[in-house]
Amino acid sequence: GAVVSQHPSRVICKSGTSVKIECRSLDFQATTMFWYRQFPKQSLMLMATSNEGSKATYEQGVEKDKFLINHASLTLSTLTVTSAHPEDSSFYICSASLGTSDSDEQFFGPGTRLTVL
Amino acid sequence: GQNIDQPTEMTATEGAIVQINCTYQTSGFNGLFWYQQHAGEAPTFLSYNVLDGLEEKGRFSSFLSRSKGYSYLLLKELQMKDSASYLCAPMDSNYQLIWGAGTKLIIKP
Repeated sequence: GAVVSQHPSRVICKSGTSVKIECRSLDFQATTMFWYRQFPKQSLMLMATSNEGSKATYEQGVEKDKFLINHASLTLSTLTVTSAHPEDSSFYICSASLGTSDSDEQFFGPGTRLTVL
Repeated sequence: GQNIDQPTEMTATEGAIVQINCTYQTSGFNGLFWYQQHAGEAPTFLSYNVLDGLEEKGRFSSFLSRSKGYSYLLLKELQMKDSASYLCAPMDSNYQLIWGAGTKLIIKP
């Protein structure tokens, strides 16, 4: 099956610093990548959808200037949490899709656990 | 290596009971999640098991046997809205989610 990787798997940073998380589709070209955030025992909350070569579409309530998304190629998307604060501590999960439709199958990455001190 | 195995697709009748099995092999274990995902939507958290046994939550129950590397999701009194994909995702020693391919559940009247 299709494999999606994320790096780093865990990161601890000080408040005010920026953190970059990479999401890669290893064996397929992902037209669309999704970024989710999950708090403990809660559902994944979609943050944004990005298509290669175009600006990401952010969900309501997600600050696009704080969560910078770059989908530079068909196999790589990055999420940068700028000026991170403790409330940004969460589990960030990306997924990748071959197609452009919301109903296309998504392949999920293993997640990145961010802890902001 | 790490591996998840669950059926690709299942069909059940409205009002019936269905059990979706999941076997897993992970490097370490920090619990197992079940998610429901309707087409075009984000996965919805259903359950989290970290100890052996059955956890019941309304019409949905989840079972875990750590020694067997086995879990199942039991859905009772099936409704048409239960038609969705069900994702089994154990968490390894690094707190990474290992995703299964999901089981597409089709409910027929």
